[in-house]
Amino acid sequence: GAVVSQHPSWVICKSGTSVKIECRSLDFQATTMFWYRQFPKQSLMLMATSNEGSKATYEQGVEKDKFLINHASLTLSTLTVTSAHPEDSSFYICSALIAGGLDEQFFGPGTRLTVL
Amino acid sequence: AQSVTQLGSHVSVSEGALVLLRCNYSSSVPPYLFWYVQYPNQGLQLLLKYTSAATLVKGINGFEAEFKKSETSFHLTKPSAHMSDAAEYFCAVSGYTGRRALTFGSGTRLQVQP
Repeated sequence: GAVVSQHPSWVICKSGTSVKIECRSLDFQATTMFWYRQFPKQSLMLMATSNEGSKATYEQGVEKDKFLINHASLTLSTLTVTSAHPEDSSFYICSALIAGGLDEQFFGPGTRLTVL
Repeated sequence: AQSVTQLGSHVSVSEGALVLLRCNYSSSVPPYLFWYVQYPNQGLQLLLKYTSAATLVKGINGFEAEFKKSETSFHLTKPSAHMSDAAEYFCAVSGYTGRRALTFGSGTRLQVQP
C-alpha cells in the first residue's frame, strides 16, 4: 500500500512552453503533498507544500507564478511549470502524507523535465 | 530551524564489509529522523525512521541506525554490504509532528566494490 505515482516520468519541451506534472496517491487519501526538485547529483530541495482545497505554501525563492500548484482532490496534486526555460530542467519529485496518518511521507518516482 | 549534515559525499566499501554512513542533525524541536535510498532516476524509498521510540531503529535490507541525542547523530549502518546496496542515501529531518516537509542532507553515494 501507500503508492504514489507521477506522470509523466519524463518530458522534453521547448523553451517557453508550459508543462504539467501530476502526482497521485493511488491507494490512500493525502491531505498534504510536497513538491521537491533535485538538480543532478544534488539533494532534494522543497519547493512547496500543497494542501487539499487551499493555496500552496511556497518556500522562499520559489516563484509561485512560475510553479503553479493545484491540489484539487485528496488524491491528486499538479505542478505546472509555466513558460519553462532551460534552467528549469530538473528532476521533480512529489511526496504525500496519509490523511489522518502519522509522519511518513511516501514519494513518487519523480519526473525528469528537460527544457530545450 | 532544522538542518542535516551528511559527512562524506562518497563512500566506497568492499562487498561484505561494514557500511557506515554518517548523519548529524540540528533541530529546535524533538526531531523525527529518516534515511532514504535513491536509485538512479528513481524516487526515494524509506529505509528506516526514528520517531522518539526506540533509539536503535531497524529498517529494511538489513540497515539500522542509532539515534544519539548527545551527539545529535543518526548514523546508518549495515554489517555486510551487498552489491545491490550501491545507491544514493539521504538523511532527513522533520519537526515533531512529522507533518512538515523534510529537510534533506546533501546525500552520500555508496559504492560497493566486488
